[in-house]
Amino acid sequence: GAVVSQHPSWVICKSGTSVKIECRSLDFQATTMFWYRQFPKQSLMLMATSNEGSKATYEQGVEKDKFLINHASLTLSTLTVTSAHPEDSSFYICSARAAGGHQPQHFGDGTRLSIL
Amino acid sequence: AQSVTQLGSHVSVSEGALVLLRCNYSSSVPPYLFWYVQYPNQGLQLLLKYTSAATLVKGINGFEAEFKKSETSFHLTKPSAHMSDAAEYFCAVSPSLNTGNQFYFGTGTSLTVIP
Repeated sequence: GAVVSQHPSWVICKSGTSVKIECRSLDFQATTMFWYRQFPKQSLMLMATSNEGSKATYEQGVEKDKFLINHASLTLSTLTVTSAHPEDSSFYICSARAAGGHQPQHFGDGTRLSIL
Repeated sequence: AQSVTQLGSHVSVSEGALVLLRCNYSSSVPPYLFWYVQYPNQGLQLLLKYTSAATLVKGINGFEAEFKKSETSFHLTKPSAHMSDAAEYFCAVSPSLNTGNQFYFGTGTSLTVIP
């Protein structure tokens, strides 16, 4: 149980393109979803937290107009990287969590984004 | 405030040897604690979690961790390392007594298993 599906797993696109990444909880209701960015050989950097039906909370230094997050249902959140540039190239990982402080985060398999 | 410290960013063990990955936490309230494993180009997989029940927690793949409040530690162990255990390991803490979203990760420990 507790499966999170993230799609696509790898995307390569030209500079200036907008890219949408989907994160779905397949067998549980995710009241909260998280979006992380991970640089090589480093830990996860939390970008934003989103609760279903409300606006995402962005971490300091993360541009909300650059990284659009939508959490329209209890099973789906999307991250759109708008007008992507090479410096946005990274590994993006989503996670989902059911209600309750004891609940772990369940992670998707990540999306490798490469901007040419 | 909550935080996690993982001592040793790189750990190498021989195949068949004991694996010990260290995690110390700081929390102003009783914590929930988690260990995750990450294989290259993948997301994080939950290994085990401590949620205030038994202090010795058994997880998947033969891993276990012991919650020691007096030492504020939650070290991860495995009696005998296997080549497939080579990966990045993350410890995380989440404060209990609330339904908030805070989840704090350590900086990770890269485990190398030497044949």
